[in-house]
Amino acid sequence: GAVVSQHPSRVICKSGTSVKIECRSLDFQATTMFWYRQFPKQSLMLMATSNEGSKATYEQGVEKDKFLINHASLTLSTLTVTSAHPEDSSFYICSASVSGTSYTGELFFGEGSRLTVL
Amino acid sequence: AQSVAQPEDQVNVAEGNPLTVKCTYSVSGNPYLFWYVQYPNRGLQFLLKYITGDNLVKGSYGFEAEFNKSQTSFHLKKPSALVSDSALYFCAVRGDKLIFGTGTRLQVFP
Repeated sequence: GAVVSQHPSRVICKSGTSVKIECRSLDFQATTMFWYRQFPKQSLMLMATSNEGSKATYEQGVEKDKFLINHASLTLSTLTVTSAHPEDSSFYICSASVSGTSYTGELFFGEGSRLTVL
Repeated sequence: AQSVAQPEDQVNVAEGNPLTVKCTYSVSGNPYLFWYVQYPNRGLQFLLKYITGDNLVKGSYGFEAEFNKSQTSFHLKKPSALVSDSALYFCAVRGDKLIFGTGTRLQVFP
């Protein structure tokens, strides 16, 4: 199956700093990538849809200035948590579908990034 | 609006016994349904999907799911559970985005 690489897997930062998480599709092109956030023992909450070459679409309640998403190429999307605070601590997961598979294609997920803000 | 529900937070089953993890959905139009599994501190792995065709879908690791349109259900099943199947299972429905259920923790006891 298609492989999605997410980096870093774990990051600890001080409050007020910014953290960048990368999501790469290694063996396929992904026009669209999705960013999810998962709280302990809870489901995945969709944060935003990242479209290559255009602005991301954010879900209601997600601060776009707080969570900056860039999708500069067909294989890379980045999520930057700006001015991080302890409440931003969470497990962030990216996913991508193979371009052209539309709604019927399964998403392939990265391994997730656990962010801890001190 | 599309939605998916997993009524059980946890399912316990003895190794070797059959298992079922329940999922119901609500969509307008054709349902595109998926099951994913998540191991601790890991991303999600695709198990199987229903798009169209045969109501019984076979997937990875011996799992299968039955699509039931009249009951709007897509339950995940396996004839004989393994301890290694213990994980968090998510049902999802896809439209312009993938919406997940709340997840069901499967615990298989030796």
